Amino acid sequence: QSVLTQPPSVSGAPGQRVTISCTGSSSNIGAGYDVHWYQQLPGTAPKLLIYGNSNRPSGVPDRFSGSKSGTSASLAITGLQAEDEADYYCQSYDSSLSVHYVFGTGTKVTVL
Amino acid sequence: EVQLVESGGGLVQPGGSLRLSCAASGFTFSSYSMNWVRQAPGKGLEWVSYISSSSSTIYYADSVKGRFTISRDNAKNSLYLQMNSLRDEDTAVYYCARGSYGYFVDYWGQGTLVTVSS
Repeated sequence: QSVLTQPPSVSGAPGQRVTISCTGSSSNIGAGYDVHWYQQLPGTAPKLLIYGNSNRPSGVPDRFSGSKSGTSASLAITGLQAEDEADYYCQSYDSSLSVHYVFGTGTKVTVL
Repeated sequence: EVQLVESGGGLVQPGGSLRLSCAASGFTFSSYSMNWVRQAPGKGLEWVSYISSSSSTIYYADSVKGRFTISRDNAKNSLYLQMNSLRDEDTAVYYCARGSYGYFVDYWGQGTLVTVSS
């Protein structure tokens, strides 16, 4: 089971702002390890969305932004669009598990 | 353009074996760490295994330790996952994933489906 907890679902109307939380602990996010975010469109492979807490890879719209504070991180989508409907996963490192890649439970974003 | 193409998935009986391959192109394969990440049907992502660029460092998830073996051939730009003693719970899409400095995945393959069933 994942040590990073996300809400199962969030929804919003086109144009609205939605946020997805990623709650960890003192052995992962709270220990200062970076948080990364991935978007998985229906039926496709995941895609890197945010790395190093708040950095966007080339080609990712600036509607997507990330932040981190304490033992949690957040992904915000502003100006929600229909094509943003997807599953979103956070990922970090956990020192207690000695593995590099710990994924969040995942959040389904629905555009109303 | 970075491309990662998995192959080798299929239907296998419990207790059986399967070898997955990942052909990489569009980047200097020998300079990057690589990973296998899986996703059971309707479930979230689960990291499976990591191998450093020179194969000197290898990690496994507890769920596959002792049953799966990751390897790579830098001369062939290829990544492998040997899966033995397969269980029903190993059923998933397996993704080949390039590791980036800072321990995240910057490119993913399209995935290959492994189904363990009698």
